[in-house]
Amino acid sequence: DADVTQTPRNRITKTGKRIMLECSQTKGHDRMYWYRQDPGLGLRLIYYSFDVKDINKGEISDGYSVSRQAQAKFSLSLESAIPNQTALYFCATSDLGAEQYFGPGTRLTVT
Amino acid sequence: DQQVKQNSPSLSVQEGRISILNCDYTNSMFDYFLWYKKYPAEGPTFLISISSIKDKNEDGRFTVFLNKSAKHLSLHIVPSQPGDSAVYFCAATFGNEKLTFGTGTRLTIIP
Repeated sequence: DADVTQTPRNRITKTGKRIMLECSQTKGHDRMYWYRQDPGLGLRLIYYSFDVKDINKGEISDGYSVSRQAQAKFSLSLESAIPNQTALYFCATSDLGAEQYFGPGTRLTVT
Repeated sequence: DQQVKQNSPSLSVQEGRISILNCDYTNSMFDYFLWYKKYPAEGPTFLISISSIKDKNEDGRFTVFLNKSAKHLSLHIVPSQPGDSAVYFCAATFGNEKLTFGTGTRLTIIP
């Protein structure tokens, strides 16, 4: 079984809808991250969490919120989706080292 | 402000030859650098890393070189194999808190 899982893998939604992307991990890591990937822009950090009580904004947090429900779970929400949030979204985890372990990604399309 | 830059969006190399992927950074505080490899429909996977106290790190066919004075790192793959065809991201961090990624280079190995 995969160490980092993301649900759903693909989602199409309409402008203005609320949507939640979920991430679960079995690696036992305290640190979790949400990124988005856009063509030509690489991976950009949305939010990150170093433990259940710790939430930090990344470089592009506007329009997003997160919830760290447990050590193993980190959810990303789009309160009112807009078309420029169409992207690939990745969850990642790490322990105290720099190396991060990524999930398979969620392809989100906002129409 | 792009702190980590990969100026070549794509690179094609013949099988068996050397692939050289380049990355430049602007933040002199970065103290650890990583390379990730990404196949379509999968999350990025860690490939190799280097600390700022070293100038070279080798792992099998993969070698990363760091030139701190030039703020430049490169990934060498020798010999290149068809399975190496992927998108490669360089990333940098200081204090192991969060990674800043480059925009990626798509490597195509020609049989």
